[in-house]
Amino acid sequence: QKEVEQNSGPLSVPEGAIASLNCTYSDRVSQSFFWYRQYSGKSPELIMSIYSNGDKEDGRFTAQLNKASQYVSLLIRDSQPSDSATYLCAVRFGFGNEKLTFGTGTRLTIIP
Amino acid sequence: DTEVTQTPKHLVMGMTNKKSLKCEQHMGHRAMYWYKQKAKKPPELMFVYSYEKLSINESVPSRFSPECPNSSLLNLHLHALQPEDSALYLCASSQGGLAGGNEQFFGPGTRLTVL
Repeated sequence: QKEVEQNSGPLSVPEGAIASLNCTYSDRVSQSFFWYRQYSGKSPELIMSIYSNGDKEDGRFTAQLNKASQYVSLLIRDSQPSDSATYLCAVRFGFGNEKLTFGTGTRLTIIP
Repeated sequence: DTEVTQTPKHLVMGMTNKKSLKCEQHMGHRAMYWYKQKAKKPPELMFVYSYEKLSINESVPSRFSPECPNSSLLNLHLHALQPEDSALYLCASSQGGLAGGNEQFFGPGTRLTVL
């Protein structure tokens, strides 16, 4: 059973600080990794995708992937109250697999 | 245009009703998905259509019947649902095929309540 694990939180971070969200996955043969943000009552919104080891930066967001250790993380710099949401980690296991496996999500609260 | 649209936004139905959820995308994507999401849970995959053919059915009860009339449209037909089927139903689309990361983009969802 391929799994994706996240700390459910809640994770509270002061406004302006760095929020760090972590995700581990069970299968070394994984190709694609995604972070989604979901506000309460809304649908998931794709904020980052990462496919290679290392860091990928997009504005205030940085995704970090370490395939050897089987973890992917999301850093949010200069956290804003509008970043308060549930963050879902998703992994596409294997090759040619149309299915995404989601973690249970981490609820992030930014404290003004 | 990176938008996936879904109608209706909200739906209330009785257990004997028949209704349909609709999803549309104009991104040229060839894979489309139905998910079910309960409160405080991650999305749960129901069906995948790839190049207009059903490629994944996650053992969904037959009271849910998907249909893909063309590459831009996806329907979910509902019949004889149970109150426990009340949830947010999400449609998503992705480029499809074996190449690339296959980023999935979600529509806004249909909030379904079964009485």
